[in-house]
Amino acid sequence: ILNVEQSPQSLHVQEGDSTNFTCSFPSSNFYALHWYRWETAKSPEALFVMTLNGDEKKKGRISATLNTKEGYSYLYIKGSQPEDSATYLCASGTYKYIFGTGTRLKVLA
Amino acid sequence: GAGVSQSPSNKVTEKGKDVELRCDPISGHTALYWYRQSLGQGLEFLIYFQGNSAPDKSGLPSDRFSAERTGGSVSTLTIQRTQQEDSAVYLCASSLNSYSNQPQHFGDGTRLSIL
Repeated sequence: ILNVEQSPQSLHVQEGDSTNFTCSFPSSNFYALHWYRWETAKSPEALFVMTLNGDEKKKGRISATLNTKEGYSYLYIKGSQPEDSATYLCASGTYKYIFGTGTRLKVLA
Repeated sequence: GAGVSQSPSNKVTEKGKDVELRCDPISGHTALYWYRQSLGQGLEFLIYFQGNSAPDKSGLPSDRFSAERTGGSVSTLTIQRTQQEDSAVYLCASSLNSYSNQPQHFGDGTRLSIL
C-alpha cells in the first residue's frame, strides 16, 4: 500500500447501531496514525493518535485499534447517535501527513 | 483557549486575481501546516513551517502559490493569478511541535471559489 486508504467511502446506519470502518496505511517506516472527526461546517477534530502496534484507544462510544505490521486501523462507534454523523479521516506519516479521503457517516434517527 | 483562526471564511474572486489567506495558530504552537481539499478529494498537504527552520514547500502545486510565517506566528498563503482549479477549502493547522505523536489542531478553513 503506497497511500492511505479508507473504507467504506460512506455509510448510513440507524441510530443505536454499532459500526466500524477501516484505514489502511503503508506499514514500512511507520511513525503514527491519527484519526480525526470532521463535521460539516466545522474544523477537523483530533480523536486519537496511535503509535504502537496493538494500541487501543477509547473516547466515550468511539474506540480505535492499530496494527502496524499489516498496516491497518479500525475505528468503532458503539450505539451510533445522529450527532456522530461526520466524516472520519485517518492520516499517517510524520509531520507531513498523508490523509485518507475519509469515511462519511450518516446516522439516521 | 483560542483555537486556530482563519480568515476570510469564504472568498469569491475572479480568475486571474491574487488572493491572500490568513492563519493565526494556537499560541505557543511551533508547527504550522496548510492543506487544501478540492471537491471529492482528500486533504492535500501544501506547506509546513516549524519554528525558524526553512519551510517544507514540497506540496505547493505551482509557483503561483507561496506562503510565509511572520515572527513564528501568523501565516499567510498567497495564490497569484488564480485559476478555477484553485477552488477548494484551504485549511490551516498548528501543533505544539512537529513530533508525529502530536495531534494537529485545525481552523475552520477558507472556502475559495474562483469564477
